[in-house]
Amino acid sequence: QKEVEQDPGPLSVPEGAIVSLNCTYSNSAFQYFMWYRQYSRKGPELLMYTYSSGNKEDGRFTAQVDKSSKYISLFIRDSQPSDSATYLCAMSALRTRQLTFGSGTQLTVLP
Amino acid sequence: SAVISQKPSRDICQRGTSLTIQCQVDSQVTMMFWYRQQPGQSLTLIATANQGSEATYESGFVIDKFPISRPNLTFSTLTVSNMSPEDSSIYLCSGDSGSTDTQYFGPGTRLTVL
Repeated sequence: QKEVEQDPGPLSVPEGAIVSLNCTYSNSAFQYFMWYRQYSRKGPELLMYTYSSGNKEDGRFTAQVDKSSKYISLFIRDSQPSDSATYLCAMSALRTRQLTFGSGTQLTVLP
Repeated sequence: SAVISQKPSRDICQRGTSLTIQCQVDSQVTMMFWYRQQPGQSLTLIATANQGSEATYESGFVIDKFPISRPNLTFSTLTVSNMSPEDSSIYLCSGDSGSTDTQYFGPGTRLTVL
């Protein structure tokens, strides 16, 4: 069993839809949770960062962490074609230490 | 946030040769890491590049195959040695932000081994 599980998709939604991306994990030591966006042929770009449990909102993006269920989510409101990318969840047990990544979810937002 | 650049951006190499990838950060970072991303897959950590000492390798990766240098707080190199087609991948370096408990990535080096 992988430490971090992520539905690979692909996920295709119409413009304006609400997108929900999810990861589950097995290592209870994880405390730092991140979402990265990766456009084709580019490096991962940090999108959201959350420490421990709770919600964090940044514009159209909301990250949720439920440590009791070992489950994290990223919500994208009013999705745009420019949101089309692969979204990677990542997590670590220690501050700025090595990250464990999910397999990534490929998202396409159709105009 | 730190801005990270990598050289080369891509290369095509022959089997049995070696390639050194450079990673430059525009500010000092405490931690630097090297990852591999094989086609259609997620990122796998190769090693942590330690400044002034030997790198720390993850299971399945060894120094003879992936020697790493980190002479200072803004620069690191990864060498892929005695390459085979199985080494064809994207190699990414990352550095910690220092203040925000997370990592920033370079654009990657796309390696094809024939």
